[in-house]
Amino acid sequence: QKEVEQNSGPLSVPEGAIASLNCTYSDRGSQSFFWYRQYSGKSPELIMSIYSNGDKEDGRFTAQLNKASQYVSLLIRDSQPSDSATYLCAFRAGGSYIPTFGRGTSLIVHP
Amino acid sequence: GAVVSQHPSRVICKSGTSVKIECRSLDFQATTMFWYRQFPKQSLMLMATSNEGSKATYEQGVEKDKFLINHASLTLSTLTVTSAHPEDSSFYICSAKMTSGNYNEQFFGPGTRLTVL
Repeated sequence: QKEVEQNSGPLSVPEGAIASLNCTYSDRGSQSFFWYRQYSGKSPELIMSIYSNGDKEDGRFTAQLNKASQYVSLLIRDSQPSDSATYLCAFRAGGSYIPTFGRGTSLIVHP
Repeated sequence: GAVVSQHPSRVICKSGTSVKIECRSLDFQATTMFWYRQFPKQSLMLMATSNEGSKATYEQGVEKDKFLINHASLTLSTLTVTSAHPEDSSFYICSAKMTSGNYNEQFFGPGTRLTVL
């Protein structure tokens, strides 16, 4: 059974700090990995996708993938109060178009 | 990024009525769309996968006769909640899969909040 594990949090960081969100997955055949941000009462918004080992940077966001250890992380630099949301990790196995979502980590950035 | 719309954004109905929710991909074609349900402070729950021109594939425990899905075109999928009851009150979210080269990213609609009285 495909599973995604995320710490539900909340993770609380001060404004300007680096927020580190982690996710582990069980399916070694996973090939596509995604991070979504979901504000309260809103639908998820895709913020990062990563497909190969290593780091991928986009503005203040960096996704890190380690397939050998089966984890993917999201770093948010210079965290802002507007980053406060739930962050969902998702992966998709090779040959499948159906993603598996984690339960999400709640991030709180306090001024 | 790709844009997915949903209509209506919010609906309140009486118990026993049916409600139709539309999901449209506005600037791309989506051969596959997904329907999710999310209860307050819970994770996304996949209800069904919808492929254009074929029957939807429902997840275990989801009643296909209660949640009717029609994916009539490459840009439109509809979810009809038949004979809605208060326990069906939830946040319904669709998403559409964009195929671009080797990458397959999924984009969500804004969601429909259903309240059944």
